[in-house]
Amino acid sequence: EVQLVESGGGLVQPGGSLRLSCAASGFTFSSYWMSWVRQAPGKGLEWVANIKQDGSEKYSVDSVKGRVTMSRDNAKNSLYLQMNSLRAEDTAVYYCARGYWYFDLWGRGTLVTVSS
Amino acid sequence: DIQMTQSPSSLSASVGDRVTITCRASQSISSYLHWYQQKQGKAPNLLIYAPSTLQSGVPSRFRGSGSGTDFTLTIDNLQPEDFATYYCQQSYSIPHTFGGGTKVEIK
Repeated sequence: EVQLVESGGGLVQPGGSLRLSCAASGFTFSSYWMSWVRQAPGKGLEWVANIKQDGSEKYSVDSVKGRVTMSRDNAKNSLYLQMNSLRAEDTAVYYCARGYWYFDLWGRGTLVTVSS
Repeated sequence: DIQMTQSPSSLSASVGDRVTITCRASQSISSYLHWYQQKQGKAPNLLIYAPSTLQSGVPSRFRGSGSGTDFTLTIDNLQPEDFATYYCQQSYSIPHTFGGGTKVEIK
């Protein structure tokens, strides 16, 4: 089955760190750009970051620059998002999504809650 | 950053209606415009990309059009399963911004 499954979310204190993972299956993971998109509770979608097939190019939204690192392990069909210096405004469901121009496959998301 | 403005933010419609949602970009984005449907508690689902190509498996009652700064998503013969929130997204430049969403509710 073609799918993406996120994990690693949870409750973290402001200033803390979290590493999200996304496990891909059913398709050739190494052939695709991959992205992270988040959605704060009751709010709209926000593109967070993306990474090229071989990891050689990465881009992110300004609000997370310097605090977030995106990486991938094509041998393990896995995508990662290391988030540091977390803030309350980072509270959201984080979705892993396939694609660069548009996102044709999404995971179910993992909830990150930043609160003391 | 390119700002994407959707209108209306919400609408009420009946089964069988035609619904039109517009998305305006703050600058020209050529045809780099895509539409998603999101149902409550679920992940978004790609409907249409670039900006009139129907994603595989999406019913033909969904249509996308436009170029430059103004785009439209049209749903013909609205069905019960179409009640959801719809988002546009541009990929002309980084960051790949989304519109604020349009919630389609049952009248």
